[in-house]
Amino acid sequence: ETGVTQTPRHLVMGMTNKKSLKCEQHLGHNAMYWYKQSAKKPLELMFVYNFKEQTENNSVPSRFSPECPNSSHLFLHLHTLQPEDSALYLCASRGANTEAFFGQGTRLTVV
Amino acid sequence: GNSVTQMEGPVTLSEEAFLTINCTYTATGYPSLFWYVQYPGEGLQLLLKATKADDKGSNKGFEATYRKETTSFHLEKGSVQVSDSAVYFCALSDRNSGGYQKVTFGIGTKLQVIP
Repeated sequence: ETGVTQTPRHLVMGMTNKKSLKCEQHLGHNAMYWYKQSAKKPLELMFVYNFKEQTENNSVPSRFSPECPNSSHLFLHLHTLQPEDSALYLCASRGANTEAFFGQGTRLTVV
Repeated sequence: GNSVTQMEGPVTLSEEAFLTINCTYTATGYPSLFWYVQYPGEGLQLLLKATKADDKGSNKGFEATYRKETTSFHLEKGSVQVSDSAVYFCALSDRNSGGYQKVTFGIGTKLQVIP
């Protein structure tokens, strides 16, 4: 248990659906991250939030929309996804002088 | 920009064998270096870290030394067990141009330990 909780653990959605992934931490961390992990590819950083402000967007398609309402919660809103978006989506958080703590991930399958 | 290079694997070893997973990095500043481990169906967990040159991180029998002269942070374990089978990620942390910490990961190396 790392202190970072992701829900749901598994999600199957159609290409026309709208769904959201949730990440929550109560570690007092001010930075939160979304990563995409696909088979046989490096871990891809998608978004970075520092103190609720988005500080990095690594050219992620607009069908992925992040939201950070406060320092403890991070969402990833999904709409009109493609089958190639199927992957493990990992959330992480970190404090000013700590390593990154990861959640267990959401296994997303787009059908 | 920063980058981390590690062998992709899979690395297959017999139980009690010696393990080395190489990791080299490029960074403009003075990064902290990490090894993370991912067991099947799980997220990444920190295995060990080193924050400055010549530091040695260690945990659960694994070790890695921060070598600034060779820009390396190789992971070693003297005697692996079946339970060590997982994917191992080398990573570095540095501040980006905006002053925020950024973590860069390697591709991950899959380790399979057979009895």
